[in-house]
Amino acid sequence: GDSVTQMEGPVTLSEEAFLTINCTYTATGYPSLFWYVQYPGEGLQLLLKATKADDKGSNKGFEATYRKETTSFHLEKGSVQVSDSAVYFCALNSGYSTLTFGKGTMLLVSP
Amino acid sequence: DTGVSQNPRHKITKRGQNVTFRCDPISEHNRLYWYRQTLGQGPEFLTYFQNEAQLEKSRLLSDRFSAERPKGSFSTLEIQRTEQGDSAMYLCAGEAGQETQYFGPGTRLLVL
Repeated sequence: GDSVTQMEGPVTLSEEAFLTINCTYTATGYPSLFWYVQYPGEGLQLLLKATKADDKGSNKGFEATYRKETTSFHLEKGSVQVSDSAVYFCALNSGYSTLTFGKGTMLLVSP
Repeated sequence: DTGVSQNPRHKITKRGQNVTFRCDPISEHNRLYWYRQTLGQGPEFLTYFQNEAQLEKSRLLSDRFSAERPKGSFSTLEIQRTEQGDSAMYLCAGEAGQETQYFGPGTRLLVL
């Protein structure tokens, strides 16, 4: 079945540092890939998505590239802010409508 | 703001009681999903609706759980005879047919 594996957190960074959160997946066919962000006590917000190989999703300075050859969708940001502290979820949709999520990676950014 | 609202935001109940949660998507969301999220985990799919038809149910959805979406608008999720293991965040998401799901703020359930 489908699965998503994310690097374990927490990831602790200083403000303005470079961020990478690794995500790899297993799926049948060619899934669409997503990153969602969850702030404390809130629901999930869509951060970015990519629907086919080599697509790059981007939003609010975050980027992720759909790599079919390595089955990866790593999230990156060049300069993190304290306000980026949250839990980040990688997810896929392999065409069966439902989303399969990773366990989430907590990001903590200190001033 | 995704336009998806959920009520109540928090619910505390005693084991054995019944609880009902409500989700209101925006009118364009012809698909509606329910997920459950436990502490430290990603959301897990429970069930989804295409308009008013319930098309898929996860094996996580025991017979104590029931969901409805009358008239293809709002949806309710009911848990009967709650157990402590039901304590979780229950998330609702709407989709307008472009594979992107928009989540509500969730209902956090605590069963004592």
